[in-house]
Parts: sequence; C-alpha cells; structure tokens
Amino acid sequence: AQKITQTQPGMFVQEKEAVTLDCTYDTSDPSYGLFWYKQPSSGEMIFLIYQGSYDQQNATEGRYSLNFQKARKSANLVISASQLGDSAMYFCAMREFRMDSSYKLIFGSGTRLLVRP
Amino acid sequence: DTEVTQTPKHLVMGMTNKKSLKCEQHMGHRAMYWYKQKAKKPPELMFVYSYEKLSINESVPSRFSPECPNSSLLNLHLHALQPEDSALYLCASSPGTSGGSGANVLTFGAGSRLTVL
Repeated sequence: AQKITQTQPGMFVQEKEAVTLDCTYDTSDPSYGLFWYKQPSSGEMIFLIYQGSYDQQNATEGRYSLNFQKARKSANLVISASQLGDSAMYFCAMREFRMDSSYKLIFGSGTRLLVRP
Repeated sequence: DTEVTQTPKHLVMGMTNKKSLKCEQHMGHRAMYWYKQKAKKPPELMFVYSYEKLSINESVPSRFSPECPNSSLLNLHLHALQPEDSALYLCASSPGTSGGSGANVLTFGAGSRLTVL
C-alpha cells in the first residue's frame, strides 16, 4: 500500500527566511504523482506544486520548490523568503492509482508552519 | 476567489434532520470528489464521480448519499447523522480521474463545516 509520511507536526520560521518541510513516501508503482497543498485556517486546500515520478527536474512555482530525491523517496517542500501569510497547515499528498485507472489522493498528516515577524 | 463553490459554509443539524451540502464548479472538470476532514487530521476521501457516474465509494456509511445531477454539480445528502460525523466536508474537482498527467490537479472548495448535535 502507498504511504505518505510527514514527520514534523509543527515548524517555526522567521519572516524572510527559507524553510523546508519534509515528506517521504512509499510506493511500488513506477508511475506516481506528488503534490503539496496549503490549508489556511479558513479551511480551503490550496494547490502549491506538483512533481511527477518521471520528471527530470525538480518542480518550482514562484517561492515554492520541491526537492525531489527519488532514490530516497522524499519530496520536500522548500519555501523561500517566508511571509506572514505562509502560516498554515501544509499537506504532502500522493496520487494512488487503482486497477480501474482512476486515482485517489492520499495525504500525509500535515505540518503546521508558523512564520514569526 | 475559489473556482469550486460550496454551500453552506456552516451547517448545524440534529441527528434526525435531513440536509444537503452542495458543490458547484464551472471549469469543465469531469471528476468531482467529496472529502471529509476531522480537526487536526488530513482529508479522507469519501466519493469520486467521474463523468457523472460514481467511480469510488470509500465504504462510506449509507447515511451519506452523494448525487451528481450534472457535470458541474455535486451534492451530499445527509440523514440520521451522528455527532462523530461533525467535520469539515471538502468538495474538489479535477479535469479527469485517469492517467498520470500533472493536469489532474484537484481544485478544492472552501469547505462546509458541519456540526451534528
């Protein structure tokens, strides 16, 4: 079975500094997708970044980058130049394929990030 | 503004009530999802509709009844709920359910926060 692990329940970072949120995964499928979502206190899940298992380069989206180390099965999220608005819960997720070719997204337990002024 | 609209934002109901949660998207997405999220936990998949047909039911109790009247609308009918069903219910949509393309990113709504008394 596929599994996503986030070992940091909570993190602090100083405003304007960079922070890395850890994510490891386990799957026997050669094809998979990894996602990061941000969930502010309002509740909405906001898509941040995606990495496909066959992508040669690490994904980047503005201040977000994904440090993808396939051999280590890790997909850490790096947020550069942290802002107060980055304070939220962050979920790593993996797309799990099923026999009927549909898929579901399975989430890690999340990391709560607090940005200090 | 989110492109997936959920109503109501908050709902309080008794265990004998019948209520419905509604979700709407106008992005032309062909897959729609219901997730349940308890406090301080990651979202858990409940149902997936693909091309207006139910494709995944994660063994959800029958007191939750999904309905997809058309490709833009998704309802969740609630009847005889228990206090432990109190949670944030998130709706999401994606272009489709199959394949490994990064284009199949789930877009979430802001959620409906349900309290069962």
